[in-house]
Amino acid sequence: NAGVTQTPKFQVLKTGQSMTLQCAQDMNHEYMSWYRQDPGMGLRLIHYSVGAGITDQGEVPNGYNVSRSTTEDFPLRLLSAAPSQTSVYFCASSPLESGANVLTFGAGSRLTVL
Amino acid sequence: AQKVTQAQTEISVVEKEDVTLDCVYETRDTTYYLFWYKQPPSGELVFLIRRNSFDEQNEISGRYSWNFQKSTSSFNFTITASQVVDSAVYFCALSVNFGNEKLTFGTGTRLTIIP
Repeated sequence: NAGVTQTPKFQVLKTGQSMTLQCAQDMNHEYMSWYRQDPGMGLRLIHYSVGAGITDQGEVPNGYNVSRSTTEDFPLRLLSAAPSQTSVYFCASSPLESGANVLTFGAGSRLTVL
Repeated sequence: AQKVTQAQTEISVVEKEDVTLDCVYETRDTTYYLFWYKQPPSGELVFLIRRNSFDEQNEISGRYSWNFQKSTSSFNFTITASQVVDSAVYFCALSVNFGNEKLTFGTGTRLTIIP
């Protein structure tokens, strides 16, 4: 099993450019989410989805869009990149079970906005 | 609102020493889950343990043990006889939303094991 796959692993953007971080999982997990990791701040939830066609905002959604057209894929779009979006981004997924779910994380995507 | 505090930003110990990573949480919910994740130098987060608020039994898994105390809102993690492979950033996290997982993470503790 590949688990959760994120692409690209590294990306450099100029301010104002747009891009999409890709996330795919092959575990048939209903739940998928995006976190960003910044020094001294831990991980913060950006957006999440509990199934195809359903998305919702997390703690820090501004500047990001998501969609969930299939169970497997959950891309994160930056519409107009800003230096404040320089971060490491993690995609995570889990099945929906009773009780709190255990997330499986991807390897991360390091984004630098100049 | 939920909050997780990991006051220890960085810890260094010599190999084979025991080390405890502290985690203090805040929530008004009576039902919640606590987690520990490990982030090795490779960067990927690895799940270590999940504990629900109704189960205060301590847990041991090999060299790892966890001490959950509701009275002090703490969920501390101890590594016994530390090894170089234990070097990583460790995150404590809290969840009160079941099914809609919104983990609240602490800021992490960077553990360095000195050979």
